[in-house]
Amino acid sequence: KQEVTQIPAALSVPEGENLVLNCSFTDSAIYNLQWFRQDPGKGLTSLLLIQSSQREQTSGRLNASLDKSSGRSTLYIAASQPGDSATYLCAVYPSGTYKYIFGTGTRLKVLA
Amino acid sequence: EPEVTQTPSHQVTQMGQEVILRCVPISNHLYFYWYRQILGQKVEFLVSFYNNEISEKSEIFDDQFSVERPDGSNFTLKIRSTKLEDSAMYFCASGQGYEQYFGPGTRLTVT
Repeated sequence: KQEVTQIPAALSVPEGENLVLNCSFTDSAIYNLQWFRQDPGKGLTSLLLIQSSQREQTSGRLNASLDKSSGRSTLYIAASQPGDSATYLCAVYPSGTYKYIFGTGTRLKVLA
Repeated sequence: EPEVTQTPSHQVTQMGQEVILRCVPISNHLYFYWYRQILGQKVEFLVSFYNNEISEKSEIFDDQFSVERPDGSNFTLKIRSTKLEDSAMYFCASGQGYEQYFGPGTRLTVT
């Protein structure tokens, strides 16, 4: 059964720091992995989607990598800003299924 | 850019009442999904729907839940007799292939 774990559960950093958020999953048979941002009480904003054949994706200050064989993905946020404060969710799409499985998220607070 | 939309954004209902949550998927998508997120917990899969049939469902999706695509544009989730523990944010998603695009969610509060 696929399980998704995110470490750390919470993170508080001063503005300007470069950050790494970690996601691990137990079964490497996936179609893709997606990173989302969720503001308190709000919906899911897709940040980056990495196909199983890809190693990384970049969008602005965000870079996500995927090491499928080891069951890991990282989300790198460069030069963090207070506006980056949110919960970041990792979700994997297991092969042979019709669903995403989500991690519990990393709650990020960037201090001005 | 096309988006998945959901209505209402917030629904309050009394325990035991039926509720229907509505979603308008992206127009050329053929796969439709519902997820829920209880406050403070992870997002959980409920059901996937393709070609007017349920493709996969979780153990949460019991007989109290049903889904329907009543016309060419809407996709609905019905909860027949709501319980307090059904209070959650419900997300609809649609997709082609193995990508899913999520709507903004409907917050359901059962009192």
